[in-house]
Amino acid sequence: GAGVSQSPRYKVAKRGQDVALRCDPISGHVSLFWYQQALGQGPEFLTYFQNEAQLDKSGLPSDRFFAERPEGSVSTLKIQRTQQEDSAVYLCASSGGRGGNYGYTFGSGTRLTVV
Amino acid sequence: SQQGEEDPQALSIQEGENATMNCSYKTSINNLQWYRQNSGRGLVHLILIRSNEREKHSGRLRVTLDTSKKSSSLLITASRAADTASYFCATDEANQAGTALIFGKGTTLSVSS
Repeated sequence: GAGVSQSPRYKVAKRGQDVALRCDPISGHVSLFWYQQALGQGPEFLTYFQNEAQLDKSGLPSDRFFAERPEGSVSTLKIQRTQQEDSAVYLCASSGGRGGNYGYTFGSGTRLTVV
Repeated sequence: SQQGEEDPQALSIQEGENATMNCSYKTSINNLQWYRQNSGRGLVHLILIRSNEREKHSGRLRVTLDTSKKSSSLLITASRAADTASYFCATDEANQAGTALIFGKGTTLSVSS
């Protein structure tokens, strides 16, 4: 597609509920990144895929967070047993290069609110 | 964790003035990038500067990089109201193939007409 597409745009979850956030990167982009952004803060790195391989998951805050990109294109970020501190905007980005060698194209994000 | 730190945290200027934002980082890098984020939107890539470059221009943007001081600056000349946004620097880590960008906390720029 022309840009990075994320769905849903907004998600309200009850505490303890599982959620799945989807990211559709630019076609052909090898690298895909997930970030978490709290209000008034910069994006915090969560995880990085190169094609279907998850090269870095050091930013995932707990084992409740899980990400996959099984066919090297669409990615899903899953949060199990959501907590209030999980409330944030989740941003997905893709890049035609590796790591930080090229600019990233970001999606509009999914705003998750846990009540 | 956040690698970069922007300064100032907030900046208010009049249209037509220049805006300068600074970024300091901690580790050696391969690349440094600047992004803009309008309220409630995703980030937009502005410019990338590699560790062996010292200055780069793109339209009204000028970026400098001083690897000895581990710092960068973003200059926006002749600012417009539409430049109102948050600006973030982001760096990868040198000596590691393909690390993800780590972002700073950002500078919030307000340009009034």
